[in-house]
Amino acid sequence: AQSVTQLDSHVSVSEGTPVLLRCNYSSSYSPSLFWYVQHPNKGLQLLLKYTSAATLVKGINGFEAEFKKSETSFHLTKPSAHMSDAAEYFCVVSSSPSGGSYIPTFGRGTSLIVHP
Amino acid sequence: KAGVTQTPRYLIKTRGQQVTLSCSPISGHRSVSWYQQTPGQGLQFLFEYFSETQRNKGNFPGRFSGRQFSNSRSEMNVSTLELGDSALYLCASSLSPGRGETQYFGPGTRLLVL
Repeated sequence: AQSVTQLDSHVSVSEGTPVLLRCNYSSSYSPSLFWYVQHPNKGLQLLLKYTSAATLVKGINGFEAEFKKSETSFHLTKPSAHMSDAAEYFCVVSSSPSGGSYIPTFGRGTSLIVHP
Repeated sequence: KAGVTQTPRYLIKTRGQQVTLSCSPISGHRSVSWYQQTPGQGLQFLFEYFSETQRNKGNFPGRFSGRQFSNSRSEMNVSTLELGDSALYLCASSLSPGRGETQYFGPGTRLLVL
């Protein structure tokens, strides 16, 4: 079984300040973890993914996330927010027993609001 | 390389009708997944196809069905539409199924059921 919890439904920051979007997961097996971004009326775009290599993962547009197994977390960060970062962000977990099928589970999303 | 395309982009139907949505994956991608996105339920997995075979199915009624063709293009069908089927339907493609495979999403088809 697997699940993912995005701890904040909305996060509001000022342009130029750091961004932190929190994600906790639950999985009985070694998971892959993803962060996607969705701009209004658009599909989802992959920001970054963790698949059991380096625990600190760097993505596009200056975003990064750290996989912390002991805390079952995969928080998304960015040092300095830009107006164009305003969007909906989804944390995704995908895992299964060996040889099984992988069905991704999406978090409910965090809406990032960036103030000028 | 062209991205995932979905047609139509917008659709209005009435209760009881049926609808077919189409998805063309990125060239070379053989796995296609479908999702339903609503404000109330968020993003929910519908089904996944690989090499014309349904590999996984989410927790949706039998009114929701799909198929994949030999060129990897996929269609999903919803019969006997209900008001609650109003949603954004997203298609995603990947090279193959797998835990770490990146899914590339299309822009979605927005379905409104009146």
